[in-house]
Amino acid sequence: AQKITQTQPGMFVQEKEAVTLDCTYDTSDPSYGLFWYKQPSSGEMIFLIYQGSYDQQNATEGRYSLNFQKARKSANLVISASQLGDSAMYFCAMIYTGTASKLTFGTGTRLQVTL
Amino acid sequence: GAGVSQTPSNKVTEKGKYVELRCDPISGHTALYWYRQSLGQGPEFLIYFQGTGAADDSGLPNDRFFAVRPEGSVSTLKIQRTERGDSAVYLCASSLFGTGDNEQFFGPGTRLTVL
Repeated sequence: AQKITQTQPGMFVQEKEAVTLDCTYDTSDPSYGLFWYKQPSSGEMIFLIYQGSYDQQNATEGRYSLNFQKARKSANLVISASQLGDSAMYFCAMIYTGTASKLTFGTGTRLQVTL
Repeated sequence: GAGVSQTPSNKVTEKGKYVELRCDPISGHTALYWYRQSLGQGPEFLIYFQGTGAADDSGLPNDRFFAVRPEGSVSTLKIQRTERGDSAVYLCASSLFGTGDNEQFFGPGTRLTVL
C-alpha cells in the first residue's frame, strides 16, 4: 500500500525567502510518480510539479523544484522567492505509473507567507 | 479551454436524503476520478472511470455511494440515505489518459453538508 507523510502541519516564510515543504512516502512498487498540488482558500487543486521514480534529474517548474531523494523516499518541495500569493495548503501525492491509478495524498502543509 | 466543472458548488441536505453531484470533465479526457476531502485532510480516492466503465471503485466507502459515466464524459456521483459523516468537499478530476503519469486536472469541488 502507498502512504504519504507530511509532518509539517503549518509553515511560515518571509516574502522573497525560500521554503522547503517535506514529504516522505512509502511504497514497494518501483514505478511511481510524485505530485505536488497547491490548494488556495478557494478550494481548487492546482498542479505544481511532477517527479517520476525513474527520472534522473530533479523536476523544476519556475520557482518550484522537487528535491527527490529516492533512497530516503523523500520528495520535498522547494519554493524559491516566496510571494504572498503562495499562501495556501500544499499537498504531496503519489501514484503508481504504468497502469491507471489513483492519487494518494498526504495530509497537507499550510504555508503562510509574511511580509 | 474550459476546465473541469462541478455542480452544484454547494449542497445542503438533510440526513437520510438522496443527493447527486455532477462532474463535467475536460473535453477529450478519457479518465475521470472522484475524491472526497474532509475538513483538514487531503483528498481521498473514491472511484475512477476509464471511458464509461468504473475501472477502480475500491474507495467507495459503502453501498450508499454509486457513480456513473454513461457516455464517457459527464459523471454523476450518487449518495443514498445521506449521513452527517458524508459532509465533505467532493472533488472531481480528469486526465487525458488513465496512465499514472498523466496530470489530473481538478474541478472546484462540491461542498456537501448533511444536517
